[in-house]
Formats: sequence, C-alpha cells, structure tokens
Amino acid sequence: EPEVTQTPSHQVTQMGQEVILRCVPISNHLYFYWYRQILGQKVEFLVSFYNNEISEKSEIFDDQFSVERPDGSNFTLKIRSTKLEDSAMYFCASSGDLYSYNEQFFGPGTRLTVL
Amino acid sequence: LAKTTQPISMDSYEGQEVNITCSHNNIATNDYITWYQQFPSQGPRFIIQGYKTKVTNEVASLFIPADRKSSTLSLPRVSLSDTAVYYCLVGDMNRDDKIIFGKGTRLHILP
Repeated sequence: EPEVTQTPSHQVTQMGQEVILRCVPISNHLYFYWYRQILGQKVEFLVSFYNNEISEKSEIFDDQFSVERPDGSNFTLKIRSTKLEDSAMYFCASSGDLYSYNEQFFGPGTRLTVL
Repeated sequence: LAKTTQPISMDSYEGQEVNITCSHNNIATNDYITWYQQFPSQGPRFIIQGYKTKVTNEVASLFIPADRKSSTLSLPRVSLSDTAVYYCLVGDMNRDDKIIFGKGTRLHILP
C-alpha cells in the first residue's frame, strides 16, 4: 500500500537555526499539507499546497515558514529561525484528486525539538 | 465547518463493541462525516466516511440517523491495539480541504 514518508524522524536543533523537514507524498496525489501537533495538544493545520503554490495557510504559518516542492516527489517545510515554541510533531499529508473522497494520508511525522 | 461534540475519553475492554457518538447539530446539506484515528506518536489515519444511513468497512461501521445531527462510530470486538484518539470531522468533502481537528475521543482499551 502506498504511504507518505517523512525524514528525519527526529530533529534536534538550536533556537535560531534553520530546519528543513522533508516529505515524500503518495506519487499520484495532487494536494499536499503540513500539520503540527504540540505535545498533548490538537493536530493543527499549517498549510496546503496545490499546483505548485500555497492554496491556504493558517495563522501559525508566518514568514518564518515556507514550503516547496523542489522536484516531482519531495515536499519540504522550512522553518527559517526556529523558536522554542516550534517544538512539535510535524505531519505531512497528501490527498488525491477532486473526484475521490477527501481522505488525507498522513506520514509518520518528524519530531522537532528546539533547544 | 460544522462544530462537533464527542466524549473526551472512553474506556472499554478487549472483545467488546465500542460505540463513539459525535453530535453535529449544524451539519450542512453538503457535509460528510469522517472519522480519523491517531495512535500515540503517529499521524492520523482515515477510518471511515459517510453521508447518511450506514457505512461499513473492514475496520468500523458508521451509523448516521435520518436527521444527520449525530453519528456513531462502531468498533467491533476491540483489542488493545485499538487504543487511540478518534476524531469526528464534519465538512464539505466535495473538494480537498484542510482538516480542522478537535480534541477527539481518547479510547483506552483494557485487558
């Protein structure tokens, strides 16, 4: 069964450093998402991406965040200058086309720890 | 997006059937009801989706009454591995869109 993969599984960084979280969505999917989940809290939407551009973003997704699909397979989330409060699990998700159920397939997540 | 209300937590025993009810009084005509499951330290996983009456798959059943103001996720004969958080979502699924997760129902299966 196809699945979304994410690397690394765990990233530790110092406050102020840049991090790039990587995702490989399911190959024929068209819609891509990033979510985050701070320990013990709800899963929060960050951004959605379609047709090589951001289609929607939340208030959390400020100028420190960016997304990119540099090639036909990878989808990345960059945090330019990490803050302590960016520590969370970051989940990538992808979904298919307009004619299928809106089932989003989530990756296993990257645990980001900012020291 | 319609607001949903579901129990914060539930306990059950292995082998039992578990029913988790979700209220969504303001559901709109185009809205579907979708349930996701999240195991600890993993991403959410789609379980089931329905519009009305009953939907069944290999994992669960979803019961939706005629007024659609509530729905019940039914897990038959649960095991310890069904311990997870279960999220009820209501929204227009005719186009791909972000998911707004609530707190979900934390289901704890006891031996």
